[in-house]
Amino acid sequence: AQTVTQSQPEMSVQEAETVTLSCTYDTSESDYYLFWYKQPPSRQMILVIRQEAYKQQNATENRFSVNFQKAAKSFSLKISDSQLGDAAMYFCAYRINTGTASKLTFGTGTRLQVTL
Amino acid sequence: KAGVTQTPRYLIKTRGQQVTLSCSPISGHRSVSWYQQTPGQGLQFLFEYFSETQRNKGNFPGRFSGRQFSNSRSEMNVSTLELGDSALYLCASSPGTSGSGEQYFGPGTRLTVT
Repeated sequence: AQTVTQSQPEMSVQEAETVTLSCTYDTSESDYYLFWYKQPPSRQMILVIRQEAYKQQNATENRFSVNFQKAAKSFSLKISDSQLGDAAMYFCAYRINTGTASKLTFGTGTRLQVTL
Repeated sequence: KAGVTQTPRYLIKTRGQQVTLSCSPISGHRSVSWYQQTPGQGLQFLFEYFSETQRNKGNFPGRFSGRQFSNSRSEMNVSTLELGDSALYLCASSPGTSGSGEQYFGPGTRLTVT
């Protein structure tokens, strides 16, 4: 069974600084997706960034980038120039890449606090 | 495009009652997945519907059921509610075909069972 592990329950970063959230996963599949989702307090979960396992290039979305290490099964999220609005729970998620398997497997989340 | 909508946003029910939650996916999306989010268990997959058929199922008891209509809207039903069913129920929408990895979430329905 696939598992996703986020070992940092809480992280704190100062505004304008950079922070990295860690995620490891376990799977025997070779073709899959990895995602980072953000869930602000009492607000909707939104997709931050996605990575396709067969793509070696790390995904980037504005201030958000990932470090995808397929062999190590590691998928960390780097947030640059942190803003107060980045404060949220961040979930790492995995999904096998087939047309008939939509199930997302989530990690336990990392609560990110942004301080002035 | 309009996002994923869920109704109602909040519900308070009593043990033993049943409840129905509704989810309208993004226009054109044929897959709707349901997740339960609790502080203790985190985010857990309930089931997925695609083209009116249940395509995947998580490890939940039979009290949890769902269906999908021809317009892709989905409902989730929980019968004989237990205190442990108190949770945020999220639905997620996706095209449902190979290569379409991401899912888009609705705001959730917060269910409280007393």
